[in-house]
This record gives sequence, structure tokens and C-alpha cells, in this order.
Amino acid sequence: DAGITQSPRHKVTETGTPVTLRCHQTENHRYMYWYRQDPGHGLRLIHYSYGVKDTDKGEVSDGYSVSRSKTEDFLLTLESATSSQTSVYFCAISGDLRVNEKLFFGSGTQLSVL
Amino acid sequence: GQQVMQIPQYQHVQEGEDFTTYCNSSTTLSNIQWYKQRPGGHPVFLIQLVKSGEVKKQKRLTFQFGEAKKNSSLHITATQTTDVGTYFCAPDFGNEKLTFGTGTRLTIIP
Repeated sequence: DAGITQSPRHKVTETGTPVTLRCHQTENHRYMYWYRQDPGHGLRLIHYSYGVKDTDKGEVSDGYSVSRSKTEDFLLTLESATSSQTSVYFCAISGDLRVNEKLFFGSGTQLSVL
Repeated sequence: GQQVMQIPQYQHVQEGEDFTTYCNSSTTLSNIQWYKQRPGGHPVFLIQLVKSGEVKKQKRLTFQFGEAKKNSSLHITATQTTDVGTYFCAPDFGNEKLTFGTGTRLTIIP
């Protein structure tokens, strides 16, 4: 498997608190992505990055922010967590999709917002 | 917007029966990828289809890309218990990010 680590693996938090999830890669891949997975919705893209300090929104970006200060780290922040953000969060990395690279996924973070 | 529909959402088959999942887009795709996610696991890349009408095989799995590059299918012949999981298509619309279909969850009755 690709060198990609998500932390924490599990998180329980209360509504209104900030939460940061971390994705760390050792593959020096340019692209990094955050997806959330919910029953009946498959994988939905939250934000992605195409380089250090270069990020863009996905289809479900409201309530989330991201930062990428180093190639290897991509952080996802929930500024004020809500119960609707209870989900499994997956980080993924890839080379350049424009030349048909594939995605490698981390093991996921199970987030519960109470 | 650029969307894809994947059907069926669930499929229960007897071990040894065949299985097919379909992915349909309203717009032409650059390419399409397929992923498999085992229960409790993370998605894992299976294959990528790029050319119009392309057909690729991996043992009992056959992947097809439509002539118009708007639809794709994954067919499994003679399913086994190891095939259990959710299969996702991931169409590439050529915009630096992959969207995913809603997935087809396959369960096998031994």
C-alpha cells in the first residue's frame, strides 16, 4: 500500500467544537484529496490540493476548510462540528490525474459528532 | 453538473452466480476508474479504462467502457465470497479531481 497515514483513526466530539483531521503521505505525490463517505452517498469530495498552498473546493465543501503547508501533509478542519458531519473521512493521494494516475486511499477516520 | 449514476445500489447473489454493476454519465468522460472497498476497509484501485469501447479483463472480472465514453460496466463471472464489498466507479471529467458513483454493494450468499 502507498505510504499514507490518517490521524486520528477515530474521533468523538461535541457539536460546536473544532476538529482537525490529518493526512500524511510519504510518496511525494502532488495531489491530495479529502472525501467523506456516508451510506447511500458513496464517496463525496470535500476539498483537494494540487500543490503546496494550492487547494480547491469539492462538491461538499461547506463547513470545512483545508490547509497544505507541506507536500506531505493535508489537514481538514471542521471549524464548528455539526451532527451532519458525522461520517467516515478518507484521504487520498495521486500523481497527476491528467496523465491517468490512480488514487491511493488512507485507512479512514471515523468521526462522530454528538 | 457533472454527475454519474451507478446501479444497482445493492446486489445479493448466490455464490457462483454472475454480478454486474453499471455506471452512467450524462457527459463524455476522459476516462473511468473502478475501485473496490471491502467491508470496513478503504477503496482500492482495480482498473482504468481510457479508450472508447475498451474491454479489459482481470481473471473473473470484465470491465467495459462504452463507445460514447459515457457509460461503463463491471461484470464478475461466478462470484466467490472474496468478491464481497462495494464497487465504485470513478469517472474522470478531465478536471483534476475524481468524483465517485454511489457504489454497488455486493453480498454473497454461500
